[in-house]
This record gives sequence, C-alpha cells and structure tokens, in this order.
Amino acid sequence: SQKIEQNSEALNIQEGKTATLTCNYTNYSPAYLQWYRQDPGRGPVFLLLIRENEKEKRKERLKVTFDTTLKQSLFHITASQPADSATYLCALDIGTTDSWGKLQFGAGTQVVVTP
Amino acid sequence: DGGITQSPKYLFRKEGQNVTLSCEQNLNHDAMYWYRQDPGQGLRLIYYSQIVNDFQKGDIAEGYSVSREKKESFPLTVTSAQKNPTAFYLCASSKRGNRGHGTEAFFGQGTRLTVV
Repeated sequence: SQKIEQNSEALNIQEGKTATLTCNYTNYSPAYLQWYRQDPGRGPVFLLLIRENEKEKRKERLKVTFDTTLKQSLFHITASQPADSATYLCALDIGTTDSWGKLQFGAGTQVVVTP
Repeated sequence: DGGITQSPKYLFRKEGQNVTLSCEQNLNHDAMYWYRQDPGQGLRLIYYSQIVNDFQKGDIAEGYSVSREKKESFPLTVTSAQKNPTAFYLCASSKRGNRGHGTEAFFGQGTRLTVV
C-alpha cells in the first residue's frame, strides 16, 4: 500500500506569513490527491483536489502543487490567520475502476498561527 | 441542510460488548466509508460501500461489521473481537466518481468510543 509522509512536527507561524506543508508518498502515483482540514474533535473538511495532470491549483489563500516525479505535494496557506490553525491532512487516491473513491490519508501536520 | 450525521458523539463500551455506531447521510451519495483515527496516525479505512447491499473490507476490518440496507445509512458495529476499539470513528460519503476525476469526501463529526 501507499506510504504517505507528512511532517509530524507542528508548524508554528506568525500571522501574515505563508505556511508550507509537505506530503510525500511512495509506490505508485495516484490519479489525484486531496487536502483536508481537521479541527480538534471534528471530522475533516475538504479543501482542494489536484489531479495528476495538474501542476498547481488555487483556492482563495490556498495553493496546492503536485509533482508526480518527486512524488510530492506542497500545500501553501498565504497571508495566514489565527483561524487557519488546524491539522491539515493529505489524502491520496488508492482506488481502481472497481473501487473508486478510496482514499489513504497521511497523519496530518498541525499548523499554529500566532498573532 | 445536507450532510452526514453520526451518533452518538461519545460512546462507552464495556469489554466483551458489541456496540453500534450510527451514520446517516442525506446527500444522495452512492459511496459511504468508515475510518478509524488514532492519535498521531492517519485515518485508516475499516469498511466501504459503493452501493446498497454491498460493502468491502478496508485495511483494518477485523473485529468490525457493517450493513448497507438503505442508501442513506451505513451503521458500524464494533464487536467484542476488536481488541483495541478505543478510537475516534469517522463516517464519510462521496458521490460516484471514476478514477482520474476524483470526488471529495464529506465527513461526519465523529464518534469517540472508549472502552471502560
């Protein structure tokens, strides 16, 4: 199965700066990759999806890149705010034609934005 | 409002008991999933279902059982055979998609199960 690595150390960042999170994976390249936000004691919330033929995707202050050669995705939060403090999960498609929608998740990286 | 509802939010189980976690969705999604989350670990897939009356084992199905009698409902039973059931359980659903296009997952708020 896929091994997905996200930085286990919390990322402490000052308000207004850009937070950059890394998701590395092994084995085969997924058809797409997703990022989710999870607050303590809550279910994850979908943020962005990027496909293998897309290099970059943006949504408001969020940007995701996908490098299938490096087997890596970077997730950026620009102009970070204290409300961005949460754990961010990377999820890879491990489905097949018959088992679409299956995802494998990384352990997540906690982001703490201080005023 | 559309969404996924999990109940209860907190559940306590005595050793040797079976307990059932409820998951209901009104998003008209074909697929539903159960994940388990332990501290410091990613979500791990227990079971998933892409259609009514059919479901597949995920990576850690031992000690768990599910049913999918209705499109809206996908209850998870944690049996006494599950040796370490204390965890945060998350139910999710998604539209029918196909590999290469992808489809986002919508999660419930989770059930925290504790063995006492």
